[in-house]
Amino acid sequence: DAKTTQPPSMDCAEGRAANLPCNHSTISGNEYVYWYRQIHSQGPQYIIHGLKNNETNEMASLIITEDRKSSTLILPHATLRDTAVYYCIVRVDNYGQNFVFGPGTRLSVLP
Amino acid sequence: EAQVTQNPRYLITVTGKKLTVTCSQNMNHEYMSWYRQDPGLGLRQIYYSMNVEVTDKGDVPEGYKVSRKEKRNFPLILESPSPNQTSLYFCASSLVSRNSYEQYFGPGTRLTVT
Repeated sequence: DAKTTQPPSMDCAEGRAANLPCNHSTISGNEYVYWYRQIHSQGPQYIIHGLKNNETNEMASLIITEDRKSSTLILPHATLRDTAVYYCIVRVDNYGQNFVFGPGTRLSVLP
Repeated sequence: EAQVTQNPRYLITVTGKKLTVTCSQNMNHEYMSWYRQDPGLGLRQIYYSMNVEVTDKGDVPEGYKVSRKEKRNFPLILESPSPNQTSLYFCASSLVSRNSYEQYFGPGTRLTVT
C-alpha cells in the first residue's frame, strides 16, 4: 500500500473552509484514497473516498490531483464539531491485511 | 440501528489475568478487525477476519488471540495481559465487496493492565 504524508496539525476558523492536504506520491493506479476522522477517542468515522475524479458528499469534498500524487479533503463550512484527527489512507480495498491509520492531521476548529 | 458494539468499554486488570473483549455487529458484514491505538502511533491492526473461521494476523498480533465462530461476533482474547497492552482498542466491520468503501467502528474499549 502507498504511504501517505499529512501535516500533524491545522487550525481553521469556524464557518470557513478547512482544507486538509495529503501526499501519496507512490500511489498505484488501482489504489483509492480514503478519508476517515476520529473525534476525541471515539471510533473512526468514514468520510469519503475517491480514485481519480473529484468527489463530494454531504460531509466533504475530495480533490485529487491529475497525477494522483496528492489530494485535499475540504470541509466547506467547518464547525466546532469538526474538530478531530483526520486520516488519509491509500489502499486497493477498504478491508484486509495491514489496514493501518497513520498519525493523521489534528484539525482544530476555532470559534 | 446498524452498529458495532464492544464490551466492556473500560477495563482495569492485573498482569496475567486472562480477559476477553467482545465485539458484535448487526450488519451481516463478512470482514471484522481489531485495532489498538496508542499515543502518536495512530491505529494499528491486531487481527482481522474475512469470514467465519477465517482469521489472520495484522501488524501487531503478539499477545492476542481471536476467534470467529459466528459471523456477527469477533472476540479479542488476551491470555496473559501485560502492561504494554494498555491501550485503546477498536473493533471494526465491513462488507467484503468491490462496492464496499467504509469500515464501521465500535466505540472503543480502554484497557489498563497494571
